[in-house]
Amino acid sequence: DQQVKQNSPSLSVQEGRISILNCDYTNSMFDYFLWYKKYPAEGPTFLISISSIKDKNEDGRFTVFLNKSAKHLSLHIVPSQPGDSAVYFCAASLAQGGSEKLVFGKGTKLTVNP
Amino acid sequence: GAGVSQTPSNKVTEKGKYVELRCDPISGHTALYWYRQSLGQGPEFLIYFQGTGAADDSGLPNDRFFAVRPEGSVSTLKIQRTERGDSAVYLCASSRGSAYNEQFFGPGTRLTVL
Repeated sequence: DQQVKQNSPSLSVQEGRISILNCDYTNSMFDYFLWYKKYPAEGPTFLISISSIKDKNEDGRFTVFLNKSAKHLSLHIVPSQPGDSAVYFCAASLAQGGSEKLVFGKGTKLTVNP
Repeated sequence: GAGVSQTPSNKVTEKGKYVELRCDPISGHTALYWYRQSLGQGPEFLIYFQGTGAADDSGLPNDRFFAVRPEGSVSTLKIQRTERGDSAVYLCASSRGSAYNEQFFGPGTRLTVL
């Protein structure tokens, strides 16, 4: 049972345009959401996060939007740069019983073309 | 060091052998996590340590897997009687330990069981 879903395995955009990566979740108890970026042969790198009590968080070119009623979040990258090409993972955190494990989606491979 | 380190970076072993994977977290981080990432999937939670104790080991697939963190810093993931299905990238992450803190990942150990 996939609790965090990233339905687009890949996305291709032109340099300078907006990249929008989507993520859906099923567990309404998730209280914190994160986006990670991963390059080949490296571990995931934290990008941006959002608490469930907010609907938007912005950090430079990156903005995450959360729609709790739809159980949906998205990551906007604008303007996109070739260096943004990587696999992006959406993750949700459930702080319960002392554990704060992350539940990850399968990832979306973003390619930014020069 | 500045980040989470993992050794070895690659491990090739034969079916039935025993392996140990090491994780050195960021200094001062009390929480430590192990995840496993198979090809085409997102990282999957294995076990979580708060200090020296395993606070949540619900992700360990079976009793062939075991992890320790005897002094609250370095952790070792141990796999007995390895099987081909254990082949994956094993990721370690650490965080400051409070709720809503980002987890910082190491580069992973790629385990191949022949």
